[in-house]
Amino acid sequence: DGGITQSPKYLFRKEGQNVTLSCEQNLNHDAMYWYRQDPGQGLRLIYYSQIVNDFQKGDIAEGYSVSREKKESFPLTVTSAQKNPTAFYLCASNTENTEAFFGQGTRLTVV
Amino acid sequence: RKEVEQDPGPFNVPEGATVAFNCTYSNSASQSFFWYRQDCRKEPKLLMSVYSSGNEDGRFTAQLNRASQYISLLIRDSKLSDSATYLCVVKWPRGAQKLVFGQGTRLTINP
Repeated sequence: DGGITQSPKYLFRKEGQNVTLSCEQNLNHDAMYWYRQDPGQGLRLIYYSQIVNDFQKGDIAEGYSVSREKKESFPLTVTSAQKNPTAFYLCASNTENTEAFFGQGTRLTVV
Repeated sequence: RKEVEQDPGPFNVPEGATVAFNCTYSNSASQSFFWYRQDCRKEPKLLMSVYSSGNEDGRFTAQLNRASQYISLLIRDSKLSDSATYLCVVKWPRGAQKLVFGQGTRLTINP
């Protein structure tokens, strides 16, 4: 079945550690997105990519990095520079003519 | 001004009531519009796309007003299962492919 897969579902990070969240899609979508959601809040855009080897910063890119080496994959690294990384992270993808499809999300907690 | 604005609510209405949400957007060249539903601790899922002529899907009706730059969602004969957060989503123009979310409106249907 086609879809978008995020892993892991839950992730715990120690202070000062970098962690990478995985996002893979087999929908042949060109565009991919990373959002952050805090409790009771909406989705805020971290990074997005329209094509392979190209990506743009969203509204809250500081402390995060991404890569888009393959069309199917758009991993997000939460660096130690992100001072408050505990949140729900959602990856999405779409084409120019479709709505966005979401993965099931990764809950990141700093311990 | 936020790119996409919604009344965060919460809206608490009795079962069977009609409830309406509005959402305004700042980019007049925005290309596409959607309403998503998000249940607690889950990923957002598409409820319906919003077309220029307005569209209906069962108890749900969506409208777009390009002149005033807002979209609306009407839920008739509300059910307990409609309790969720409703997110307004705007896609920026061709070439930008940026999906912008409103902060969401929390709806609770009471028995």
